[in-house]
Amino acid sequence: SAVISQKPSRDICQRGTSLTIQCQVDSQVTMMFWYRQQPGQSLTLIATANQGSEATYESGFVIDKFPISRPNLTFSTLTVSNMSPEDSSIYLCSVEGLVMGTDTQYFGPGTRLTVL
Amino acid sequence: AQSVSQHNHHVILSEAASLELGCNYSYGGTVNLFWYVQYPGQHLQLLLKYFSGDPLVKGIKGFEAEFIKSKFSFNLRKPSVQWSDTAEYFCAVRPGGGNKLTFGTGTQLKVEL
Repeated sequence: SAVISQKPSRDICQRGTSLTIQCQVDSQVTMMFWYRQQPGQSLTLIATANQGSEATYESGFVIDKFPISRPNLTFSTLTVSNMSPEDSSIYLCSVEGLVMGTDTQYFGPGTRLTVL
Repeated sequence: AQSVSQHNHHVILSEAASLELGCNYSYGGTVNLFWYVQYPGQHLQLLLKYFSGDPLVKGIKGFEAEFIKSKFSFNLRKPSVQWSDTAEYFCAVRPGGGNKLTFGTGTQLKVEL
């Protein structure tokens, strides 16, 4: 599997501000995804980050709130915009389609976000 | 759309006890099935997966899971748990050929000495 890192690992933010989370993989991957894990709940897919094109968002998530970039095959960012306390969650990136051809998603360590 | 149910939210076992965590999914077509584990303070890790073939799959650390198509189930088992198995366990399903993973709500397992 690949080594997946996320920055920051945690942050405390004020209501109304925005935070950009970075996801870096040490090898090229085909697919990158962003998930949210709210307190006491399971993981929910936010969007699929497509390289060179707009992300594909799941129902209930919109680009204005969660803009995503994926400039190359090893890096993606997720921005949580105009934050409110309801955005307090763990945000995880996952990757699939590594060089060795696996079709399984591997997850980063997550970013724990607290919005005050 | 697919959905996943994990009926046991919290399980407490003594060391050496046997473990079975339930996972049921709803989806009419071919599925890929996964169990992930999240140890305290660590990130989500793949435990095992099923794509096709032998419905009994073996994963890391002595875990195994059995796919029963007629029951839409993919239960996780381990004959003898250890204190180090204390973690949260997530079942996930993906339509065959698709990318979207749908997760269950997770089962928090605590193994007592």
